[in-house]
Amino acid sequence: EDQVTQSPEALRLQEGESSSLNCSYTVSGLRGLFWYRQDPGKGPEFLFTLYSAGEEKEKERLKATLTKKESFLHITAPKPEDSATYLCAVQAGNDYKLSFGAGTTVTVRA
Amino acid sequence: SQTIHQWPATLVQPVGSPLSLECTVEGTSNPNLYWYRQAAGRGLQLLFYSVGIGQISSEVPQNLSASRPQDRQFILSSKKLLLSDSGFYLCAWHRGYGYGYTFGSGTRLTVV
Repeated sequence: EDQVTQSPEALRLQEGESSSLNCSYTVSGLRGLFWYRQDPGKGPEFLFTLYSAGEEKEKERLKATLTKKESFLHITAPKPEDSATYLCAVQAGNDYKLSFGAGTTVTVRA
Repeated sequence: SQTIHQWPATLVQPVGSPLSLECTVEGTSNPNLYWYRQAAGRGLQLLFYSVGIGQISSEVPQNLSASRPQDRQFILSSKKLLLSDSGFYLCAWHRGYGYGYTFGSGTRLTVV
């Protein structure tokens, strides 16, 4: 069974204090790893898709990287508006479905 | 462009009452459709998915059911709600392998 584990569960940062979120996965035949951002009371918003080890994607202050066993979401010089829950998900094998981690809740203080 | 609509945004229902949540997708055909539930502080739990009209797969036994009467319509139902059915319900669609989901805005259901 596919497993996705995110750490830490919660992360409190000072504005400008860079940090990284981890998503480790155990799957057979990775087809894609996905990062989402979710604000309270809203549906998850798509951020990145990574398909193979070594791939990197960037968007504003966010950068996602992928290895054969884990993915990192780096937040550089975060701002309060980066506060949200970040979800990681994988799609593998012949399964259409995404398996989600429990998420990391990031709080950035001004 | 593709859009996904989900309603209502919030719902407060008494125990034992019926439920119907609706989700529609625009701008695409034959999407894969999903219903998820998210409990407070927890991850997303897949409830149902559908790869075509009338084709419904259930992931967990529960008090809920799903139907897909049209290609781009997905409905989540219950005949009698339980307190444990409270949660944040999300509808999502995607094209298939290698694509991520696009989520609706969610329905906050409180059963009282």
